[in-house]
Amino acid sequence: RKEVEQDPGPFNVPEGATVAFNCTYSNSASQSFFWYRQDCRKEPKLLMSVYSSGNEDGRFTAQLNRASQYISLLIRDSKLSDSATYLCVVTSGGSNYKLTFGKGTLLTVNP
Amino acid sequence: DADVTQTPRNRITKTGKRIMLECSQTKGHDRMYWYRQDPGLGLQLIYYSFDVKDINKGEISDGYSVSRQAQAKFSLSLESAIPNQTALYFCATSGSDRSYGYTFGSGTRLTVV
Repeated sequence: RKEVEQDPGPFNVPEGATVAFNCTYSNSASQSFFWYRQDCRKEPKLLMSVYSSGNEDGRFTAQLNRASQYISLLIRDSKLSDSATYLCVVTSGGSNYKLTFGKGTLLTVNP
Repeated sequence: DADVTQTPRNRITKTGKRIMLECSQTKGHDRMYWYRQDPGLGLQLIYYSFDVKDINKGEISDGYSVSRQAQAKFSLSLESAIPNQTALYFCATSGSDRSYGYTFGSGTRLTVV
């Protein structure tokens, strides 16, 4: 089983749609969780952290289910500018943590 | 100025040539990383360093070497470049608090012909 697995995509949605991305991770000792956004040929940038209680940032909602080792990202009212690749990221435990990245899911929002 | 600066931004080199990619950061972090990204394969860790005296191999270190010249500088070398090292290379840095994730440089697009 891969350490971090995401929906392979791609997702093509119209403006205004709601879209959800799913991610599972294999290491039950994983400590921190993130969604990163990567525009074409650009560097990944932190979109939001993911907390056990769930968290929201404007149109974006992230949820974590530790028991199922599952992470999700919901985007409401999609904008053209949301078109990007979304990376699910988890960290290992311990002080010498490293981030493990999923392969990403490409989202294209169409006018 | 960017928090993490990579040079060069783009480079075309010939097979067999030695090439160095440089990375510097102004975040004051101890930890630095080199990744490569290929279409469909995601980010793969090449080398990482948790402080100036610490160097560790990542998933795909064969054909690469690194040097941590200072807290702020971490360079990646391809001793004898080959075409399948054509990729987008990212440097990243992080602090000891995992809750903040990594900060990435803008990347170096390397083509080996």
